[in-house]
This record gives sequence, structure tokens and C-alpha cells, in this order.
Amino acid sequence: GESVGLHLPTLSVQEGDNSIINCAYSNSASDYFIWYKQESGKGPQFIIDIRSNMDKRQGQRVTVLLNKTVKHLSLQIAATQPGDSAVYFCAETGGQNFVFGPGTRLSVLP
Amino acid sequence: NAGVTQTPKFRVLKTGQSMTLLCAQDMNHEYMYWYRQDPGMGLRLIHYSVGEGTTAKGEVPDGYNVSRLKKQNFLLGLESAAPSQTSVYFCASSYNLGVRGPSYEQYFGPGTRLTVT
Repeated sequence: GESVGLHLPTLSVQEGDNSIINCAYSNSASDYFIWYKQESGKGPQFIIDIRSNMDKRQGQRVTVLLNKTVKHLSLQIAATQPGDSAVYFCAETGGQNFVFGPGTRLSVLP
Repeated sequence: NAGVTQTPKFRVLKTGQSMTLLCAQDMNHEYMYWYRQDPGMGLRLIHYSVGEGTTAKGEVPDGYNVSRLKKQNFLLGLESAAPSQTSVYFCASSYNLGVRGPSYEQYFGPGTRLTVT
């Protein structure tokens, strides 16, 4: 079946550096991709999304890149801050149901 | 707005007991979802609802039932709890884009941590 996975389960970055979190997806029919942030003890929070007809989308300090050729999605966080420490999930959908990846834990070092 | 709220926050059940998890949202969203989250795995959809009075099965519906009697509430029931249902349960909601279906931005509750012994 379709699956969404992540290359790295954990990522540690120095405060102020840029972070890149990667995600691989397998369903080429998916037309929408979302990144969520989940802080400890809380529910996931929407960060940014991208449609399959785009290859890049920017938000506030975050950029999502989509490479459909290799079925790869990445989330870039600029100038990583302590408040960015969390687990980040990618998700894909082609309709009503979402498939979530297992998540990458981002740890920001002082 | 309180957003999406879930009760209870924690619960311990013995095998075979039943319970109901309550999800409430005050955003007038049409779509509501129940997920479970297990270590090392992504969120998995249990059941969802596209509107008051309607429910549908997700990826892992066995052992669970749901009801959507009011638009703002989505209940998840465990009829006979099993240790395999130990998990963190998240409710989410999203608004309706009409013919385009649900908005892809889901709003999540804080979760319910359930342990079945």
C-alpha cells in the first residue's frame, strides 16, 4: 500500500542554523502534501502545505520543496530556534484520507 | 475559540472494559477525524465523519465505533478494550470546501492517552 516515510528519525541542529527535514512518499497519485509540527504532549499543528503542481512554497521561516521525480518532500526551517524543537510529520493525500509519516524529532542545541 | 478539545486526557482501562472518548470543536467544521498514534508510526485514521449523522471507516477501524449526533461532537467508543488499543488518540477537524471536499488543513486536539492493561 501507499506509505509515507522519513529518511532521518532524529535531527540535531545548532540554534541559528538552518534545518532540513526530509520525507519520501510512494503514492504518485497524491496531489497534496502537508507538514505538521508536534510539540511534546500536544496535538499536531499545521505548518505548511504544497500542491503537486508546485515544486516550492515558502512561509514564515519555512520552505517546503517537492520533487515529484524522486517522490521526495523536504521542510527547511531557517534560523532554527529553541521553539522549533518538536517532532515534524509529513503527510500526503489524494482526497479525503491522509497518510502520515512516522515523524522526525528535531532537537535544537544551544 | 477553544478549537478542538478532547476528554479525558488520560485513562487506564482493564481488558474488556468499555469507554467513550469525546471530541468537541467550536469552529463549525463539517469534517471530523479520529486517529491513533503509536511509537515509531505515523498517525493512523480510525474513523472519520463528513458531516452530522455520517461516519466512515478509516485505515484501522476494527474494535472501535463512532457517532456524530451533533455537528460539533465526534465520539469514539471502545466496546471491549484490548491491550493493542493502548495508544494516544487524536481528534481533528477541518472545514468543507464544497465540491473540492475537505480543507487539507486539519486542526488537532491535545490527545487522549489510553492504557489498556
